[in-house]
Amino acid sequence: DAKTTQPTSMDCAEGRAANLPCNHSTISGNEYVYWYRQIHSQGPQYIIHGLKNNETNEMASLIITEDRKSSTLILPHATLRDTAVYYCIVRVGGGGADGLTFGKGTHLIIQP
Amino acid sequence: DAGVTQSPTHLIKTRGQQVTLRCSPKSGHDTVSWYQQALGQGPQFIFQYYEEEERQRGNFPDRFSGHQFPNYSSELNVNALLLGDSALYLCASSLFTRKSLRTGELFFGEGSRLTVL
Repeated sequence: DAKTTQPTSMDCAEGRAANLPCNHSTISGNEYVYWYRQIHSQGPQYIIHGLKNNETNEMASLIITEDRKSSTLILPHATLRDTAVYYCIVRVGGGGADGLTFGKGTHLIIQP
Repeated sequence: DAGVTQSPTHLIKTRGQQVTLRCSPKSGHDTVSWYQQALGQGPQFIFQYYEEEERQRGNFPDRFSGHQFPNYSSELNVNALLLGDSALYLCASSLFTRKSLRTGELFFGEGSRLTVL
């Protein structure tokens, strides 16, 4: 799986959009970008994933650059409950959900 | 619809002992994966079970073993415990078909926190 680079921590004001960047310059053509988050003392939670098109669901939007070397997770209206560690993961998609490689992620702190 | 359940939630062992952790996957899921998360680190993949067989394994020694039962539940066993085995052990479930390609998501439990003294 391709490696990813994320900032260690970020702050965002409550109610504003939180934009979390991820660099994955060695991504292969068949690798997807996945985002998970982990709220303190809980298991990781799936947020969104994409291959090359931008994706949106009820939780967030995922913007992938045209060359697929980086992406941005957008939480449109951050709340205090969005404070968590956010993991960007790149891996081949498909059945079986092969072992994910988590880095250290970005600790997002939402400020009141 | 019950999600992934793990037991026990917390436990304390001493060096050299053995421990068994248990996981029940989300209803309808047939694949179970185990992860170890040390304090301040991201989860690290231990292994994955499907059809009662180990299908994929991360970089963990043979002291870590597992089992999957016909009802898809799973156990993680760790022998000869070391202080460094202290961690949060997470179980994740998924469906081993191309359906998972549509969601791409694993469902994680809350974890079992193991302390080795």
